[in-house]
Amino acid sequence: SSELTQDPAVSVALGQTVRITCQGDSLRNYHASWYQQTPGQAPVLVIYDRNKRPSGIPDRFSGSGSGNTASLTITGAQAEDEADYYCHSRDNSGHPVLFGGGTMLTVL
Amino acid sequence: QITLKESGPTLVKPTQTLTLTCTFSGFSLSTSGLGVGWFRQPPGKALEWLALIYWNDDKRYSPSLRSRLTLTKDTSKNQVVLTMTNMDPVDTATYFCAHTSILGVPRGYDPWGQGTLATVSS
Repeated sequence: SSELTQDPAVSVALGQTVRITCQGDSLRNYHASWYQQTPGQAPVLVIYDRNKRPSGIPDRFSGSGSGNTASLTITGAQAEDEADYYCHSRDNSGHPVLFGGGTMLTVL
Repeated sequence: QITLKESGPTLVKPTQTLTLTCTFSGFSLSTSGLGVGWFRQPPGKALEWLALIYWNDDKRYSPSLRSRLTLTKDTSKNQVVLTMTNMDPVDTATYFCAHTSILGVPRGYDPWGQGTLATVSS
């Protein structure tokens, strides 16, 4: 399969932990990256190579994965974490061209 | 520091061709392993990957849009140009370009340009 599937929407209470998941066959062979996008802004890389954080990304963001599923976890969600989150991986040929449909995170 | 910026027309008529330019700095697209990808996002909708061009001029296109897309690069100008033919109002979107590398640890697309809104209307 050449698709990545995400839940359309997830909510979390302020300060609680939330997990956003992504499923796809390519994740069995390639690690996921995750992007955060707030309204009117370009996407920002928050996790790459399954569980690595770029500099400047808070350590409340973490990534994991097993089998055909990748997860982005926000531990102690903050109001500013309310955003759309997209997962990303490579296709069967190794090209970075697969994106999930995005998950809208609401922080209550 | 890597930066990218998209430019192009803000308004395009139906059936016309959209030409967008991604001008970047901080890297050279003649460097092995590097690439520039294009994406779009209709208002209120999800991000969609469109196309990718590599340092060696290898190109990948979205299967659903392949017949309408063309990518070129000008290494001397640090630019990548995306053309999309036969524009329709449903193609109204913010178009982004982003840097990627397929060598070493996979870092996905990082960073991204600010995006440019292209509206298709008569």
